[in-house]
Amino acid sequence: TQLLEQSPQFLSIQEGENLTVYCNSSSVFSSLQWYRQEPGEGPVLLVTVVTGGEVKKLKRLTFQFGDARKDSSLHITAAQTGDTGLYLCAGAKGNTPLVFGKGTRLSVIA
Amino acid sequence: DVKVTQSSRYLVKRTGEKVFLECVQDMDHENMFWYRQDPGLGLRLIYFSYDVKMKEKGDIPEGYSVSREKKERFSLILESASTNQTSMYLCASSPGTYHINEKLFFGSGTQLSVL
Repeated sequence: TQLLEQSPQFLSIQEGENLTVYCNSSSVFSSLQWYRQEPGEGPVLLVTVVTGGEVKKLKRLTFQFGDARKDSSLHITAAQTGDTGLYLCAGAKGNTPLVFGKGTRLSVIA
Repeated sequence: DVKVTQSSRYLVKRTGEKVFLECVQDMDHENMFWYRQDPGLGLRLIYFSYDVKMKEKGDIPEGYSVSREKKERFSLILESASTNQTSMYLCASSPGTYHINEKLFFGSGTQLSVL
């Protein structure tokens, strides 16, 4: 059972454009993590959001946790080629391993 | 920085062979994990360990076993490799003394091809 749905699955945009990717669930999570995976590497943690409604910014990346802690979004402003990669969200429930979404593959073209 | 090292980046094995994938972390983390990553299927948890000699099944343990004899090392074993085990295998660790789902640190992965 896929508890975390990510959309879109693929996204190809021009450099300088803005984009938003989504991570949705019918389950409540205690926290949500976003990872980025570049080709040939393992995922690297970008941010953890814990409180419902929380917004965190990491340079041009803005992460939001839904009020009900069931969903999250990642917004990138003025995308750069270096943003290219696979973006994964992962939800934490109790003391069990993280549940990962299937990811959004972003390609930023110069 | 935490370093999670996987012994091989690429591995080619034949059907029926016994395969060992090794993973070492250098930050004294309690928890270690093995995932496989396949296009369209995302990351799927095979096994995890929260202490030396302890192991727990993940979502897809069939056809795999693990060993954790030392805190820093977590091995994934394919007893008799099959073609459907061709995949990218990712090892991860987390400090998680109280929570197993804290921040994960991943290795660079091993791309295993079973012919």
